[in-house]
Amino acid sequence: LAKTTQPISMDSYEGQEVNITCSHNNIATNDYITWYQQFPSQGPRFIIQGYKTKVTNEVASLFIPADRKSSTLSLPRVSLSDTAVYYCLVGAISSGSARQLTFGSGTQLTVLP
Amino acid sequence: EAGVTQFPSHSVIEKGQTVTLRCDPISGHDNLYWYRRVMGKEIKFLLHFVKESKQDESGMPNNRFLAERTGGTYSTLKVQPAELEDSGVYFCASSHGGLGRYNEQFFGPGTRLTVL
Repeated sequence: LAKTTQPISMDSYEGQEVNITCSHNNIATNDYITWYQQFPSQGPRFIIQGYKTKVTNEVASLFIPADRKSSTLSLPRVSLSDTAVYYCLVGAISSGSARQLTFGSGTQLTVLP
Repeated sequence: EAGVTQFPSHSVIEKGQTVTLRCDPISGHDNLYWYRRVMGKEIKFLLHFVKESKQDESGMPNNRFLAERTGGTYSTLKVQPAELEDSGVYFCASSHGGLGRYNEQFFGPGTRLTVL
């Protein structure tokens, strides 16, 4: 399983765009990149997933360069409620097989007023 | 639609006692996972059920832990006898299938276990 490296913590202010970068130098050809969000006293929650280039949904964007050795989660105009831990996960999606998730340390994002 | 639920939310027991955690996955989800985070550590995978069968139990720490999923619906995780190092938060997650939404797993709120 590919190892991921993220900043331990980040601070931002309300209304700003936040970019969290994750390094995954030994990502494999079959690996997808997935980001989860976790609030205190809750389980992790899926945010976004991608394989290459750019993916956008209603809450975030995910930028993946051509070499796929890193990825950047972009949160537009954060609010106080976006304060949470964000996890970058890398793993393969095998045909017909739902697999375990491998969590790293995550990034504690604190949004300040 | 109800999400993944776990019971109890908190449990405080003494070393040597037995505790049983329960997880109810989202209805229709064949895949059920158990994870845990012990103090100061990362969330770690314990095991994976597909319906009532154990697909992968490589993360189970030792034979004091027993997971079951009779009938392929809810699952229980029993710790017997509990040790101090078992303290932590136990998460359950479920997913619909192997493909589709790329194996998106839906997590419950977790059970916080404290062993004294």
